Amino acid sequence: SQQGEEDPQALSIQEGENATMNCSYKTSINNLQWYRQNSGRGLVHLILIRSNEREKHSGRLRVTLDTSKKSSSLLITASRAADTASYFCATDRKGAQKLVFGQGTRLTINP
Amino acid sequence: GAVVSQHPSRVICKSGTSVKIECRSLDFQATTMFWYRQFPKQSLMLMATSNEGSKATYEQGVEKDKFLINHASLTLSTLTVTSAHPEDSSFYICSASSGSAYNEQFFGPGTRLTVL
Repeated sequence: SQQGEEDPQALSIQEGENATMNCSYKTSINNLQWYRQNSGRGLVHLILIRSNEREKHSGRLRVTLDTSKKSSSLLITASRAADTASYFCATDRKGAQKLVFGQGTRLTINP
Repeated sequence: GAVVSQHPSRVICKSGTSVKIECRSLDFQATTMFWYRQFPKQSLMLMATSNEGSKATYEQGVEKDKFLINHASLTLSTLTVTSAHPEDSSFYICSASSGSAYNEQFFGPGTRLTVL
């Protein structure tokens, strides 16, 4: 299958809480990226983590990567209503440009 | 960040007609462009990869004669859905890569195609 797995498929939390989304993949990777997509819109690049990195931060975002478990997590701290969107992870392999996307997590932040 | 545009953003057409979607990189040269389709509440599925000046590489199961891709310049790629049918209705998204080592792709805003 081209797709990786993400869980949960849907997540609904209260504003101010932290949101954690997970992504698993099947093959060895070069980079893993997280994207956000608002309904009916294109994708916005959030963060890229390389295969030799274990953790990366960007503002309220924290991404971890465990290559031994072939998994990554995206943590959004102090969530806001504007964070409501679908979040996708995408991986690429060394020497290959194409990205393989996970199934996505639909995040809803309730005010 | 780099900007990628798509045109049109929405198109409604009759069954049997052809529709052309343009993808442009506005402030960088895109050595490679990618075309995806996305069904409602699903993930992106890669359709094809196009490199400037060469034929596109299609993913398994994607009909190259139905989805014609042209990448004539480093800033423009087009996807033509030929003889469109209702099952072709979908959200089509392009992305562009400058070929950096980090393989960062910049996505267009997408085109909503509805075939009646």
